[in-house]
Amino acid sequence: SQTIHQWPATLVQPVGSPLSLECTVEGTSNPNLYWYRQAAGRGLQLLFYSVGIGQISSEVPQNLSASRPQDRQFILSSKKLLLSDSGFYLCAWRPGQINTGELFFGEGSRLTVL
Amino acid sequence: DAKTTQPTSMDCAEGRAANLPCNHSTISGNEYVYWYRQIHSQGPQYIIHGLKNNETNEMASLIITEDRKSSTLILPHATLRDTAVYYCIVSPGNAGNMLTFGGGTRLMVKP
Repeated sequence: SQTIHQWPATLVQPVGSPLSLECTVEGTSNPNLYWYRQAAGRGLQLLFYSVGIGQISSEVPQNLSASRPQDRQFILSSKKLLLSDSGFYLCAWRPGQINTGELFFGEGSRLTVL
Repeated sequence: DAKTTQPTSMDCAEGRAANLPCNHSTISGNEYVYWYRQIHSQGPQYIIHGLKNNETNEMASLIITEDRKSSTLILPHATLRDTAVYYCIVSPGNAGNMLTFGGGTRLMVKP
């Protein structure tokens, strides 16, 4: 069966520090991968999505970047965090070849920038 | 993606049916209606989706109007664990598309 993991679960970072959130999917190949962010009390904002290795599409310009170095690995990064980067970050995947209608989410990473 | 309009919040008594409406008057012919829910501090969970026919699974029923401009998610017997934010999303059915989440409806199931 397919599983998705993301880490770390929580982190507190100072303004200006770097960020790296990692997400991996197991039990499937060539998935579509997504990074969402949810600010406190807000809806989900799509940040990046990827349909294949090295293929990244950005939905919202900001100081974040994403990379997909391997088929089932998706990384969210920042060189210098801003206070506004605080939020709940969610990685998700769906099958790349067929649309089952279902997007599978990870457990989330809660980031607090101080 | 077509936009959706949902009430900000709703209450429902435990054991009763919860009917969550969604308006999507600009939906295109190739766009599906998806429903997800998000329990506090967790990732969203898929509930159901449909194109034009009504759908039912173990979690809920989805009723889509004939003109497809609106739909209703029905939780037949709401429990306290159904308290969550429910998102209605419309999106094309091709595999490569992404889902855009709006504000959703905050459903509070009360004892």
